[in-house]
Amino acid sequence: DAGITQSPRHKVTETGTPVTLRCHQTENHRYMYWYRQDPGHGLRLIHYSYGVKDTDKGEVSDGYSVSRSKTEDFLLTLESATSSQTSVYFCAISERSGGNYYNEQFFGPGTRLTVL
Amino acid sequence: DQQVKQNSPSLSVQEGRISILNCDYTNSMFDYFLWYKKYPAEGPTFLISISSIKDKNEDGRFTVFLNKSAKHLSLHIVPSQPGDSAVYFCAATNSGSARQLTFGSGTQLTVLP
Repeated sequence: DAGITQSPRHKVTETGTPVTLRCHQTENHRYMYWYRQDPGHGLRLIHYSYGVKDTDKGEVSDGYSVSRSKTEDFLLTLESATSSQTSVYFCAISERSGGNYYNEQFFGPGTRLTVL
Repeated sequence: DQQVKQNSPSLSVQEGRISILNCDYTNSMFDYFLWYKKYPAEGPTFLISISSIKDKNEDGRFTVFLNKSAKHLSLHIVPSQPGDSAVYFCAATNSGSARQLTFGSGTQLTVLP
């Protein structure tokens, strides 16, 4: 199994509070991703990173920010949590790829966030 | 507008029979497709993939078929086993898109003993 951990695994917070989720990898993979999973929507990309300090927005980035100061850590911050951000959050990593081949993404165990 | 669609939220099959999970896509720029399996309280795990230059890829009991003209792919599991019971996600990407994946909404497969 790819070495990916997420912390915390569960969190309950109140509307309006800031929340930071952490993804840590031991694989030295270049690409890191944050997704959220909601019923009827599958997994939707929030933000991704293609290197240290290199990040970009995904499909559902509003209300979220990210930072990557080290290869192994990718942080997801909810600036001011809302009930609509109650979800399961997954981090994923992908190896450096080249040419025309694609390396699949490996997922962490997830963080269940509840915003009351 | 969902670019990857899995129109069957659930599927039940008997142990030993074939499971067929379907996926449709609308974006003609997608050139690589993947299937992930997800158990409750775990992250998705990669199962099998196929490039758009192929129409079939097989790995043990799992085979993925791609019909580019119909923008349709399917995952066949033969024979189905109770341990295959999980949510299956179809995903697609464009090789020029920083490896971003677009996922379908998933199909819950239940294999009955």
